[in-house]
Amino acid sequence: GAVVSQHPSWVICKSGTSVKIECRSLDFQATTMFWYRQFPKQSLMLMATSNEGSKATYEQGVEKDKFLINHASLTLSTLTVTSAHPEDSSFYICSATLLGQETQYFGPGTRLLVL
Amino acid sequence: GQQLNQSPQSMFIQEGEDVSMNCTSSSIFNTWLWYKQDPGEGPVLLIALYKAGELTSNGRLTAQFGITRKDSFLNISASIPSDVGIYFCAGREETSGSRLTFGEGTQLTVNP
Repeated sequence: GAVVSQHPSWVICKSGTSVKIECRSLDFQATTMFWYRQFPKQSLMLMATSNEGSKATYEQGVEKDKFLINHASLTLSTLTVTSAHPEDSSFYICSATLLGQETQYFGPGTRLLVL
Repeated sequence: GQQLNQSPQSMFIQEGEDVSMNCTSSSIFNTWLWYKQDPGEGPVLLIALYKAGELTSNGRLTAQFGITRKDSFLNISASIPSDVGIYFCAGREETSGSRLTFGEGTQLTVNP
């Protein structure tokens, strides 16, 4: 149980385009989902916390207009990187928590390369 | 923001050896989690700790929630080559809601 999927697993795009990444909880309802970014050989950096049906809470320094998060249902959250630039190239990972629990279960990640 | 000090940063060991790594914080945590991440994949939960002093095992892995609530350790006994990867501790402060703070990771290499 507690399986989280992400799609796509990797994406290459041109600078200036927008990229949407999906995060799904496959076998449970996730009241809260989290989006992280991880650069090579570094730890996970929390970008935002997303609760179903409400606006995401962004960490300091993360541009909400650049990283659009939508959490329309208890099993799906999306992250859209708008007008992507090469410095946005990174490994994006989502996680989800079960209702009433604190443990975060992570998706397999999405590698984004912006040319 | 809060930082977790995780050590060591890397370890090179022989197959069969035991491994120990730990995390410390300057503030009190009420949850400690240990994850393993393989290259190009998301972290996988190994052990979750919710109470000070709690000692929990998962196969060859054992983790403890420090009695001061400011530290946790992870031990791996009789290491095998597939233990290779990056191990992260993560903690949740009482005042941080559901947010986790991650350590910098311990890169483990196991030589056959």
